[in-house]
Amino acid sequence: GENVEQHPSTLSVQEGDSAVIKCTYSDSASNYFPWYKQELGKRPQLIIDIRSNVGEKKDQRIAVTLNKTAKHFSLHITETQPEDSAVYFCAATGYSTLTFGKGTMLLVSP
Amino acid sequence: EAQVTQNPRYLITVTGKKLTVTCSQNMNHEYMSWYRQDPGLGLRQIYYSMNVEVTDKGDVPEGYKVSRKEKRNFPLILESPSPNQTSLYFCASSPTMGTEQFFGPGTRLTVL
Repeated sequence: GENVEQHPSTLSVQEGDSAVIKCTYSDSASNYFPWYKQELGKRPQLIIDIRSNVGEKKDQRIAVTLNKTAKHFSLHITETQPEDSAVYFCAATGYSTLTFGKGTMLLVSP
Repeated sequence: EAQVTQNPRYLITVTGKKLTVTCSQNMNHEYMSWYRQDPGLGLRQIYYSMNVEVTDKGDVPEGYKVSRKEKRNFPLILESPSPNQTSLYFCASSPTMGTEQFFGPGTRLTVL
């Protein structure tokens, strides 16, 4: 089955800095790569996703890049704000199952 | 309001006492799934359903059962709960596989 590795497990930045979270996957058949944000005590919510036929996608301060050859994808957050503090999960999916990384706790200090 | 609901939100039970966690969505989604979330392990898929009467195992199905008799409902059944099933459980749905999943509010289960 699919295996998703996510790094780092924790990331501390100063407000205004950029943050990058990286994930690798094992199944070359995977074709959909979502990123979820989970605030403390809340449910995960999708923040951005990318499909295998696209190399990069951007939504305001958030961007995701995908390298299919290397089987890795990354989340980039620019101009971080305290409200970006949360746990971020990457995921990869093929035909039927969605496999998540173990998560990255992002702490943005004012 | 489009949503995924789960009940109960919190449950404390004892080993061996059968329980069911309900999940319902009102968005006419075909795909539904159950996850458990444990510290340091992220979200792990228990079971999923591509459509009515179609269910399949995820990564950690042992000790769990599901059914999908109607499109909107996808209950999770623990026939004989054990302490290692103490966890936070999320139900999720999406229009089809490979699209945004909408998560329920979560059910925190403690098995003593």
